[in-house]
Amino acid sequence: QQPVQSPQAVILREGEDAVINCSSSKALYSVHWYRQKHGEAPVFLMILLKGGEQKGHEKISASFNEKKQQSSLYLTASQLSYSGTYFCGTESGGSYIPTFGRGTSLIVHP
Amino acid sequence: GAVVSQHPSRVICKSGTSVKIECRSLDFQATTMFWYRQFPKQSLMLMATSNEGSKATYEQGVEKDKFLINHASLTLSTLTVTSAHPEDSSFYICSARPGLTGELFFGEGSRLTVL
Repeated sequence: QQPVQSPQAVILREGEDAVINCSSSKALYSVHWYRQKHGEAPVFLMILLKGGEQKGHEKISASFNEKKQQSSLYLTASQLSYSGTYFCGTESGGSYIPTFGRGTSLIVHP
Repeated sequence: GAVVSQHPSRVICKSGTSVKIECRSLDFQATTMFWYRQFPKQSLMLMATSNEGSKATYEQGVEKDKFLINHASLTLSTLTVTSAHPEDSSFYICSARPGLTGELFFGEGSRLTVL
């Protein structure tokens, strides 16, 4: 079952922050985050494997709440290059097959 | 980092013909590769899981006879769209990873246009 991402779209000005959420109805053992530019393949951002884990560098980071089956991606002081569609991918229940959410379109304006 | 190469990046074909798309892992072996289809501004829809040396596992609603998947070696999987029709026009992407879990490496994608 597909994870649910919110919001569907975000429009920001350079320097602003954004949060993208990903939730699942299933117990998760991993959450992946990818960014896709138009017409290109998705690019890996990070993977979270444990509940409570937080990862990333200071400007792009993510958290994983295993109990709530949720993950959030934090984009701080956004740059123009952050524009794209962000997908979360989740793995659950012994199925080593990532399932992707519908994506969140992020547009950063100068 | 690991690289997955997909070819061709663009293909235009006539209705009724077949098209083959290749997905290669260049610097690692992959017993499993994934094939996705993506419509404009939509998610990555998993079509099938390609398994080296055995039959592919197709997702519900994906026609096995139309989308033939062959995983001939640990570094190559192919997707053949048979008797293509305009409604098969889409962006097809493959992905693979060295192990059972972990980061997925995506190919560049193949844009298929069926006239």
